[in-house]
Amino acid sequence: LAKTTQPISMDSYEGQEVNITCSHNNIATNDYITWYQQFPSQGPRFIIQGYKTKVTNEVASLFIPADRKSSTLSLPRVSLSDTAVYYCLVGRSSGSARQLTFGSGTQLTVLP
Amino acid sequence: NAGVTQTPKFRVLKTGQSMTLLCAQDMNHEYMYWYRQDPGMGLRLIHYSVGEGTTAKGEVPDGYNVSRLKKQNFLLGLESAAPSQTSVYFCASSFPVGAQETQYFGPGTRLLVL
Repeated sequence: LAKTTQPISMDSYEGQEVNITCSHNNIATNDYITWYQQFPSQGPRFIIQGYKTKVTNEVASLFIPADRKSSTLSLPRVSLSDTAVYYCLVGRSSGSARQLTFGSGTQLTVLP
Repeated sequence: NAGVTQTPKFRVLKTGQSMTLLCAQDMNHEYMYWYRQDPGMGLRLIHYSVGEGTTAKGEVPDGYNVSRLKKQNFLLGLESAAPSQTSVYFCASSFPVGAQETQYFGPGTRLLVL
């Protein structure tokens, strides 16, 4: 299984850009990377997914270097409502078989 | 369109008791998953299913059984509950596109085993 490591917590102020990095040193060639957001007492919610280089959607960007041993979730201009736990996931598919390894999560606190 | 729903929301069991957690999805997804979430440990995959009538073991399958008799439902069973199974259980479903997939999670079931 791929092993993922994230910082336990981060603080930021409203309006700032926040970057959360996940380390996945033993990622395999075909593994993909996904980030989820979780609020208290709710299930995780998809943010963004990628395989290599850079992916951007309406809420975030995902940067993956060439060696793919880490990935960085970038949240532009955070607000108080972005306070949540953020998880990276390394997913591996082999036919119908699945290996899914979540990181332990990063608690992001956005301060006014 | 309710997405992924889980029943019950909360349950207290005594050691040795059995119970079944129900997950239902109305998105016609092929893949369904059961995870447990413990403090400081993220989510760990218990079992998953890639289609009706199929199941497979995940990272932490011991003490749990699953069934997928209908495409929209995925059941997680605890035959003899243990305090170590106290956790929050999440169900998810997805429709993979190639090797990548987006999982949609339910609201969770909080289980306390005394």
